[in-house]
Amino acid sequence: QSALTQPASVSGSPGQSITISCTGTSSDVGDYNYVSWYQQHPGKAPKLIIFDVSKRPSGVSNRFSGSTSGNTASLTISGLQADDEADYYCSSYTRSTTWVFGGGTKLTVL
Amino acid sequence: QVQLVQSGSDLKKPGASVKVSCKASGYTFTDYALSWVRQAPGQGLEWMGWINTNTGNPTYAQGFTGRFVFSLDTSVSSAYLQISSLRAEDTAVYYCARGRTWFDPWGQGTLVTVSS
Repeated sequence: QSALTQPASVSGSPGQSITISCTGTSSDVGDYNYVSWYQQHPGKAPKLIIFDVSKRPSGVSNRFSGSTSGNTASLTISGLQADDEADYYCSSYTRSTTWVFGGGTKLTVL
Repeated sequence: QVQLVQSGSDLKKPGASVKVSCKASGYTFTDYALSWVRQAPGQGLEWMGWINTNTGNPTYAQGFTGRFVFSLDTSVSSAYLQISSLRAEDTAVYYCARGRTWFDPWGQGTLVTVSS
């Protein structure tokens, strides 16, 4: 199972919005509503920020939102803050009854 | 609060074995599956598989069969990852995470270093 495709890096200024894409296939992102997103600060464990495509866990800011279109999932962060600077990973269930992560995207807040 | 606490970092020689533990607290251990994820130095996350905490039945991702074994001790709400015949390329941080449709929370990670 190949990793989902994410841009290596994105950047934005404080207060702006950015979107991170996560492209899979009709065997994973395009076929299941089991896409989740994780935020990982350097040296820390990943943290769940979106599950089931667009749901936010309790305690996660509503500045984070998720969606899908076809085989591509997207994470949008609005009102960028300095603490949003981190690596972001998407994950999807696959038709092989396994899970696959994206390669990760480094977000830089300028 | 719900948390997973993993064992500390380990340095092993090639060919040796290692066992990483993951102790759960704050919830009923057998109510949720437990997944394992690897992160090689400077690399992304890689799903290794998951274990059914009710039946003990493991499911392994491609590339993690043979030398990798998931196990449980439900009496102490703990899961284990054992890796045998260690190779330099097994050097990584290994995470346990609750769940198998989404992963939350995650353990703090265990760095396994394989070096002679």
